[in-house]
Amino acid sequence: GQQLNQSPQSMFIQEGEDVSMNCTSSSIFNTWLWYKQDPGEGPVLLIALYKAGELTSNGRLTAQFGITRKDSFLNISASIPSDVGIYFCAGIGGSGNTGKLIFGQGTTLQVKP
Amino acid sequence: DAMVIQNPRYQVTQFGKPVTLSCSQTLNHNVMYWYQQKSSQAPKLLFHYYDKDFNNEADTPDNFQSRRPNTSFCFLDIRSPGLGDAAMYLCATSNPGGLPAFFGQGTRLTVV
Repeated sequence: GQQLNQSPQSMFIQEGEDVSMNCTSSSIFNTWLWYKQDPGEGPVLLIALYKAGELTSNGRLTAQFGITRKDSFLNISASIPSDVGIYFCAGIGGSGNTGKLIFGQGTTLQVKP
Repeated sequence: DAMVIQNPRYQVTQFGKPVTLSCSQTLNHNVMYWYQQKSSQAPKLLFHYYDKDFNNEADTPDNFQSRRPNTSFCFLDIRSPGLGDAAMYLCATSNPGGLPAFFGQGTRLTVV
């Protein structure tokens, strides 16, 4: 079945630093999504990517849909304490996928003030 | 405005006692999902509805059932909760065609 490999598993950074995380797969996806989850809450959609090569920003967040449709990255610039949380990539569609959302394992981000 | 609403936020149930979690949506989305999420893990899909069509994941235990009486509501029934069923349960909705899913705040289930 389709799987997403997300890295790094965790990051501990200083406030103000930039952050980068990525997801790769051996399968292609038609849509890539990035979510943030705070403790005890549901995931919140950050960015949605629909086309190979697409680069999209949302404030300090930038994400790209890889040309091969098998990878995506998320960058956070000038991190702040409220960026703390778990970031999940997710893919939809592609080979044998009827529209289910497939999640990566998550990247736990901690920001030191 | 909340778009996907889960009730209750916290549920404590006894081992073996049936429990129902509810989800409602104001987005009029065709697809509704139920996920189980254990600590520090990614959400795991249990099943989803495409309109009234029910799609069960192959590894979802028979202990878990679902009902979708109309477009707006979906329920997760756990017939005989075990200690291993303690988790966060997430409901999400989307429209088909690769569009994003939107999640509720989740229900934290504790089994005692």
